Amino acid sequence: QKEVEQDPGPLSVPEGAIVSLNCTYSNSAFQYFMWYRQYSRKGPELLMYTYSSGNKEDGRFTAQVDKSSKYISLFIRDSQPSDSATYLCAMSGSTDSWGKLQFGAGTQVVVTP
Amino acid sequence: GAVVSQHPSRVICKSGTSVKIECRSLDFQATTMFWYRQFPKKSLMLMATSNEGSKATYEQGVEKDKFLINHASLTLSTLTVTSAHPEDSSFYICSAREGRGQYHEQFFGPGTRLTVL
Repeated sequence: QKEVEQDPGPLSVPEGAIVSLNCTYSNSAFQYFMWYRQYSRKGPELLMYTYSSGNKEDGRFTAQVDKSSKYISLFIRDSQPSDSATYLCAMSGSTDSWGKLQFGAGTQVVVTP
Repeated sequence: GAVVSQHPSRVICKSGTSVKIECRSLDFQATTMFWYRQFPKKSLMLMATSNEGSKATYEQGVEKDKFLINHASLTLSTLTVTSAHPEDSSFYICSAREGRGQYHEQFFGPGTRLTVL
């Protein structure tokens, strides 16, 4: 079993809809949670960074972490065609001082006009 | 802020030659840099972790004599693919992390596409 599970999709939504993404994990030591967006043939871009449990909002993006359920989510409101990309969840634990990240497989999102 | 650059963005080389890829943190000092490899429609595969001034730590299965990593300064790390072969063709991405302890965000470069003929 992988440490981080993420549905690879593709997830297709109409423009303006809410995109809902999630990851589950098995390692209870994870405390730092990130969401990255990656366009085709480009490097990942950090969208959201969350420490421990709770919610964080930044513009159209909301990240949620539920450590008790080992479940994290990313919501994108008012989705746009430019949001079409692969979204990767990533996480790391305090026991790793170098901050090595464990990545999910990435979910491909397609926002149709 | 938090910009990481990579050079070159694309390289084509003949089998048997060596290729060097540079990774620079432009507006912060990166105590730790990471090198990843990514296959089409796959997630990132960590190859090695490098800390400034010390030897890189390679992940299991990654040949350290083939993928030479140097982290000579707080803003520059290089990956050299030695005696490249067609199976080394891939998308190589570096990332950089500022500081230690609490902050675990990694900022990624735009990637380098290597094609070995």
